Amino acid sequence: GQQLNQSPQSMFIQEGEDVSMNCTSSSIFNTWLWYKQDPGEGPVLLIALYKAGELTSNGRLTAQFGITRKDSFLNISASIPSDVGIYFCAGSGTYKYIFGTGTRLKVLA
Amino acid sequence: KAGVTQTPRYLIKTRGQQVTLSCSPISGHRSVSWYQQTPGQGLQFLFEYFSETQRNKGNFPGRFSGRQFSNSRSEMNVSTLELGDSALYLCASGTRGPYEQYFGPGTRLTVT
Repeated sequence: GQQLNQSPQSMFIQEGEDVSMNCTSSSIFNTWLWYKQDPGEGPVLLIALYKAGELTSNGRLTAQFGITRKDSFLNISASIPSDVGIYFCAGSGTYKYIFGTGTRLKVLA
Repeated sequence: KAGVTQTPRYLIKTRGQQVTLSCSPISGHRSVSWYQQTPGQGLQFLFEYFSETQRNKGNFPGRFSGRQFSNSRSEMNVSTLELGDSALYLCASGTRGPYEQYFGPGTRLTVT
């Protein structure tokens, strides 16, 4: 099935560091979304972006909708141990919802 | 507001059997989507229902089917189970078209 390209695939970081991840697509999307999934649970919506160029924050998280509408970025500032998990991007169009391959984040205390 | 609920949370079935999974969306949400999640294939879209009508369908065989009731609750059925159907099945509901989706905890299906 179709998936968006997400990088990096995984990363280990020290507590307090900033984290950046991105998501790219060959298709244009009307909406970009970022989710976090903890083991054994469903993804939780973190941020939704509706307009090209939009920059939105949710606490320590900041995400941007790329100008080309084919990419998006997520930054986490001052990471803490509970940030560990898998982060997914998703692109949404008319009745279409495609997920990224995920970025597995591990935070070292 | 209560979140998306899915039942059962865990299920073990044998090859060849069929299974029905249930999803209750967030109150007021009329869109319900189903996804299959496996380590190898990631999150794959199965289908989406809105007001009891299937609006979109992913690339899964006809063994996978679903329906939505008038109260927006949805069920997903898989017939003639195969070992490869072992996965976490996630249901998501939304209200603003297909844009924002809120996921349930999933049903972990194991086929032996």
